[in-house]
Amino acid sequence: NAGVTQTPKFRVLKTGQSMTLLCAQDMNHEYMYWYRQDPGMGLRLIHYSVGEGTTAKGEVPDGYNVSRLKKQNFLLGLESAAPSQTSVYFCASSYAGGPWTGELFFGEGSRLTVL
Amino acid sequence: RKEVEQDPGPFNVPEGATVAFNCTYSNSASQSFFWYRQDCRKEPKLLMSVYSSGNEDGRFTAQLNRASQYISLLIRDSKLSDSATYLCVAPAGTALIFGKGTTLSVSS
Repeated sequence: NAGVTQTPKFRVLKTGQSMTLLCAQDMNHEYMYWYRQDPGMGLRLIHYSVGEGTTAKGEVPDGYNVSRLKKQNFLLGLESAAPSQTSVYFCASSYAGGPWTGELFFGEGSRLTVL
Repeated sequence: RKEVEQDPGPFNVPEGATVAFNCTYSNSASQSFFWYRQDCRKEPKLLMSVYSSGNEDGRFTAQLNRASQYISLLIRDSKLSDSATYLCVAPAGTALIFGKGTTLSVSS
């Protein structure tokens, strides 16, 4: 029972490089989210998706792009990495959303360092 | 006003103490609220949901005050294993917004 799986778990990039974080869930959830967590800032929503083929901006979307081509996968891309994007990235999924959002299930996190 | 605000702490309490955390939210349309627990360098995990006036689960009690737009978490008889960061969560539009978290340290 995998739940939410993130890959890679660790990555070091140089400024200007690009990369993609993959999130996969096997719970048939409609909603998926990407958050970043920085010391003293808590979890901040980057982008989210309310279903296959849809994406929407969260609190801090600049510098990131996302795609939800398949219901079970949610990809987070960094086109030109910057040191300010050094963070821990968490993917999450939920069965429902909006005012009646249920439990979020998180992946273990991806630790990204941009030099 | 930020969507969800919490006192960051840290709260340092001895074993057996009772400790309470408060959290305020700005979206009056929110219907479901949550407390998540996050251990150091781990992912957040759901501790309690709060859908109406309150919810109790063993030593943990969460209460919701819609008029004042805040939720609280009460931990009774604190254990060493309760040491963690507690995150308050509320819906904002289609997604969930997290507070910055309140750090609890329980000592023997």
